[in-house]
Amino acid sequence: DSGVTQTPKHLITATGQRVTLRCSPRSGDLSVYWYQQSLDQGLQFLIQYYNGEERAKGNILERFSAQQFPDLHSELNLSSLELGDSALYFCASSVGGSGTYNEQFFGPGTRLTVL
Amino acid sequence: DQQVKQNSPSLSVQEGRISILNCDYTNSMFDYFLWYKKYPAEGPTFLISISSIKDKNEDGRFTVFLNKSAKHLSLHIVPSQPGDSAVYFCAAILTGGGADGLTFGKGTHLIIQP
Repeated sequence: DSGVTQTPKHLITATGQRVTLRCSPRSGDLSVYWYQQSLDQGLQFLIQYYNGEERAKGNILERFSAQQFPDLHSELNLSSLELGDSALYFCASSVGGSGTYNEQFFGPGTRLTVL
Repeated sequence: DQQVKQNSPSLSVQEGRISILNCDYTNSMFDYFLWYKKYPAEGPTFLISISSIKDKNEDGRFTVFLNKSAKHLSLHIVPSQPGDSAVYFCAAILTGGGADGLTFGKGTHLIIQP
């Protein structure tokens, strides 16, 4: 158990819909990261937040957005869903903030299926 | 454009033998490299890492080798055990500034045969 929790575990929805994925980081971690794992693209970095502020953006679509709240939990919002958005979405957390690399701990993921 | 490549989708090794997983990268700015292990229905877990100033890092049965001139790293597992059967992801990052998004390869599924 990494200490990172994600809800829900599974989500099934239809094209055009909007969903919200939730992540609670490990206690004491200030950085939250979102990754998408699809069959053809592997694990791709989407976005990072540090202490409530956006820190880095990866391959995140404009239809996707995220935020980190004062209690440090984070939500990833996916809208106008397409079939190709079906994937595993992982949240990770780390202490973050320093110039050196801080180990990222991954949650168990949310499996999104768009029908 | 895939900046981190794992060209072997799967690898089968006999128990007790050495497993060698390979990874190539194209971005010479990467200065830190990691291997993650993933079991089904779980998130990736950190295994071992190496800074670009080193060419080898060892942790028990796991050794990572880095060849910067070839932009190549490898993970050696010896001896291989049944519990090592998992998907292994190579990842790379340019450190500094607090922006820590990892660039992953697509993974290699390691199967340890009894």
